[in-house]
Amino acid sequence: AQTVTQSQPEMSVQEAETVTLSCTYDTSESDYYLFWYKQPPSRQMILVIRQEAYKQQNATENRFSVNFQKAAKSFSLKISDSQLGDAAMYFCAYRVGHSGGGADGLTFGKGTHLIIQP
Amino acid sequence: EAQVTQNPRYLITVTGKKLTVTCSQNMNHEYMSWYRQDPGLGLRQIYYSMNVEVTDKGDVPEGYKVSRKEKRNFPLILESPSPNQTSLYFCASSSGTGGQETQYFGPGTRLLVL
Repeated sequence: AQTVTQSQPEMSVQEAETVTLSCTYDTSESDYYLFWYKQPPSRQMILVIRQEAYKQQNATENRFSVNFQKAAKSFSLKISDSQLGDAAMYFCAYRVGHSGGGADGLTFGKGTHLIIQP
Repeated sequence: EAQVTQNPRYLITVTGKKLTVTCSQNMNHEYMSWYRQDPGLGLRQIYYSMNVEVTDKGDVPEGYKVSRKEKRNFPLILESPSPNQTSLYFCASSSGTGGQETQYFGPGTRLLVL
């Protein structure tokens, strides 16, 4: 079974600084996808960024970027120029690719609570 | 607007009183699923459905039932709720299986079982 581990229950960063959230995963699949979701106080689940395992290039979305280390099974999220609106719970998640054949849903880590200090 | 809706958003009930949380999507998605979120545990999949009349268990199915009689609807049924089912519940849908398909989440239903 796949597992996703987020080792930082809470992180704090000064506004405008850069912060990196860690995530490791374990899988025997070769075709899979990794995600970071943001959950603000409203509890809505918001997709931040997605990485395809077959792509070597790290995904980026504006101030959000990932460091995907496939051999190490590591998938960290970097948030640049942190803003007050970035304060939220962040979840790392995994899903097998279509060729995996199963109907597995997302496997989530336990989350990292990100605090932005003004 | 493409969306997943859940009702009710908040619910307080008592042990043993049957309840249903509805989920509906307007994107003609085939795949739908239910997750529960508990503090310190992240989100865990309860049940999923790959299409009408096709449902299967996720990681934590005990105490729950689902049905998929129409493509757009996927209700979650708690026949005899217990306090350990107090949680935040999310419905999600995608056009197919696999990580290349973006999962769209509903707004969540907060359930308290007394």
